Amino acid sequence: GQNIDQPTEMTATEGAIVQINCTYQTSGFNGLFWYQQHAGEAPTFLSYNVLDGLEEKGRFSSFLSRSKGYSYLLLKELQMKDSASYLCAVLDSNYQLIWGAGTKLIIKP
Amino acid sequence: ETGVTQTPRHLVMGMTNKKSLKCEQHLGHNAMYWYKQSAKKPLELMFVYSLEERVENNSVPSRFSPECPNSSHLFLHLHTLQPEDSALYLCASSQALAGGTDTQYFGPGTRLTVL
Repeated sequence: GQNIDQPTEMTATEGAIVQINCTYQTSGFNGLFWYQQHAGEAPTFLSYNVLDGLEEKGRFSSFLSRSKGYSYLLLKELQMKDSASYLCAVLDSNYQLIWGAGTKLIIKP
Repeated sequence: ETGVTQTPRHLVMGMTNKKSLKCEQHLGHNAMYWYKQSAKKPLELMFVYSLEERVENNSVPSRFSPECPNSSHLFLHLHTLQPEDSALYLCASSQALAGGTDTQYFGPGTRLTVL
């Protein structure tokens, strides 16, 4: 079966760096998405990786290793507003999005 | 503002009621989606419409009935629901026809409680 694994919850300190991991086993691969979802709000797009390597976008970076079935989202200079759930999703060979359950990130002062 | 709106934001209904959820996208997209989001579970894709035609129906019970009158509007008609159907129902849209790599843009969701 198809599976996306990410930690259920993580805690970090304001101003610090946190890395949220995502591993996947899917039938084929056409890219990996990261979304941010604040409580009670819509998921919003953060990044899309289809080639191996690191994509940097301001304080957020996303890394992909297709051979390892692994990605991570790196958040730097954490701010209180970064408290949210982070969703990992993979496009399989049929271009279906397979979603992880999300990682709830708690930022402490 | 994501350009995808959903109404109502909250809905409480009894098991014998009939209600409808509405989604509207203002982005000029061609594909629209309904998802169910339950606590601590992955998003579950329910239905996909591409140019107003249903292209995906992931074994969703018949008590959920989608309708897509045009490329900007999507409805989810609900009847005789069960308490386990209580969840956040999210609508999304994407530029290209379903089946591509285009980013999906989500609405804020309808929090549904079935008593």
